[in-house]
Amino acid sequence: QKEVEQDPGPLSVPEGAIVSLNCTYSNSAFQYFMWYRQYSRKGPELLMYTYSSGNKEDGRFTAQVDKSSKYISLFIRDSQPSDSATYLCAMSAGDYKLSFGAGTTVTVRA
Amino acid sequence: DARVTQTPRHKVTEMGQEVTMRCQPILGHNTVFWYRQTMMQGLELLAYFRNRAPLDDSGMPKDRFSAEMPDATLATLKIQPSEPRDSAVYFCASGLGGMDSNTGELFFGEGSRLTVL
Repeated sequence: QKEVEQDPGPLSVPEGAIVSLNCTYSNSAFQYFMWYRQYSRKGPELLMYTYSSGNKEDGRFTAQVDKSSKYISLFIRDSQPSDSATYLCAMSAGDYKLSFGAGTTVTVRA
Repeated sequence: DARVTQTPRHKVTEMGQEVTMRCQPILGHNTVFWYRQTMMQGLELLAYFRNRAPLDDSGMPKDRFSAEMPDATLATLKIQPSEPRDSAVYFCASGLGGMDSNTGELFFGEGSRLTVL
């Protein structure tokens, strides 16, 4: 079993819909949680960063962390075609190693 | 606009040839990572440097891969000899970290896409 599980999708939604992404993990030492966005043939870019449990909102993006359930989520409101990308969750125990999920490919249809 | 720069962006080579990939981290960043991304395995950590010192290269096949950081502005990943199974996208990432920590805020380059025939 992988340390971080993420459904690879693909996920296809109409423009304006809410996109819901999630990851589960098994390592209770993780305390830093990130979402990276990766466009085709580009490197991952940091989208959201959360320390410990709670919610964080940035524009149309909301990240949630539930450490008790070992479950993190990313919501994209009012999705746009430009949001079409692969979204990778990542987490760290505060050491140098990031554990990445497999990535979920999202397509927002115009 | 600070960014991680990687060269070459694309490389096609034949099995047995030497391949060298280069990375210029963001100025001031003290941690540098090499990752490999494939469809099957996703992102895998190959090597990690802090303040130019290699701290972990357990993810690399030691017999053929080597990673170095000759100075603070250059990191290299070398494969010799290359094999078809090395075909992947290789990413360099940099960030700021404490003595033994890294919060995960990494900045990735655009990757070097390697094809070994």
